[in-house]
This record gives sequence, C-alpha cells and structure tokens, in this order.
Amino acid sequence: GIQVEQSPPDLILQEGANSTLRCNFSDSVNNLQWFHQNPWGQLINLFYIPSGTKQNGRLSATTVATERYSLLYISSSQTTDSGVYFCAVNQAGTALIFGKGTTLSVSS
Amino acid sequence: DAMVIQNPRYQVTQFGKPVTLSCSQTLNHNVMYWYQQKSSQAPKLLFHYYDKDFNNEADTPDNFQSRRPNTSFCFLDIRSPGLGDAAMYLCATSKVKETQYFGPGTRLLVL
Repeated sequence: GIQVEQSPPDLILQEGANSTLRCNFSDSVNNLQWFHQNPWGQLINLFYIPSGTKQNGRLSATTVATERYSLLYISSSQTTDSGVYFCAVNQAGTALIFGKGTTLSVSS
Repeated sequence: DAMVIQNPRYQVTQFGKPVTLSCSQTLNHNVMYWYQQKSSQAPKLLFHYYDKDFNNEADTPDNFQSRRPNTSFCFLDIRSPGLGDAAMYLCATSKVKETQYFGPGTRLLVL
C-alpha cells in the first residue's frame, strides 16, 4: 500500500519563528489533507490540497503531485500552534492513510 | 454551525463489558468513518459507510461492529473490549472523495 512519510518527527521553535513541515508519499493520490491535532485530541482540518498552493492566514501549503510531496509552512509561530501535524492521503478508496506526524512545540 | 458530534467524550469500561460510542453529523454528508488512534500513533480506519453500504477494513477485529440507522447517526459497538482497545475513537464525515471532517473524538479507557 501507499506509504506516507513526514519530517521532521519533532520540531521545537521559539515563538515568532517560521517552519516547514514535509510530507512524502509513495504513489499518486486523489486527496491530500493536512491536519492539526490539538492537545485534546481533535483533528482540525488545515488544508485539502491534492495539488497546488493554498494559504490561510499564517499557514500555507504546497503539493507537487508529480514529485509526490507536500509542504506545510507555518510563519510567525505562536504557542497555540503546538501539537501534532498530520499529513493524510487517499487513492481510489476512501480510507485516509496518515503519516506518523510531526510534533511541534512552540515556546514563548 | 454544521459539525460532527461525538458522545461521550470520555468512556470508561470494564474488560469484556460491551460499550457503544456515538457519532452524529449536521453536514448531511453521505460517507461516515470510524478511525482508531492509539497513543502516539496515527489514526487508522476501522470501517466506513457510504450511505447505508458498510465497508470493513480487512484488519479490523471482529470485536468491532458499527450501525448507521440514518444519515445523521453512526454507532461504534465494541462487543468485548480488551485492554488493547483503549484508544481515541474518531468519527469523520465527507462527501464522496472530498475533505473529511473529524469530530472531537471519544477517549476509551478499559479497566
């Protein structure tokens, strides 16, 4: 089955710093989503981005489908950005296949 | 606001005692999913409904069952919970092949 790899596994930042999270996938996909899992466990949709670039406030994402990777950019990080960031993909089926996540810690 | 609601948020059960988790949605999506997320792991799909059609993942244990009585509600039944079933259970909904929206989850503890 398709493999999803995220890097780095852990990231520690000072408030105000910028960061880039990467997601590599091993096969073509129909769907790619980025999520933020907050400390209470809820998965919050950040982007639905099978290809192209999107921006939402301090966050933006780019997926290059032909090269099988996606990047999530966080600018001017805040303590509330802390948590786990997941990339998830699916192909012809409906199951989202998740990467192992990047754990982000932002300190003030 | 349209949303995915899960009840209860926390559930404690005894080893072997059946438990039912609930999910409801106001998004009118035709696909509903149940994912299991164990500590420090990524979510993993257990099964999903496309309208009333039930689809079980190949490696979902027989101990797990699901019911979808109508478009809005979906239930996860764990017939005989074991210690290894302690996890966060996440419900999600979507239109076909579109963005999946997740509920807040139910954290299950098995004693």
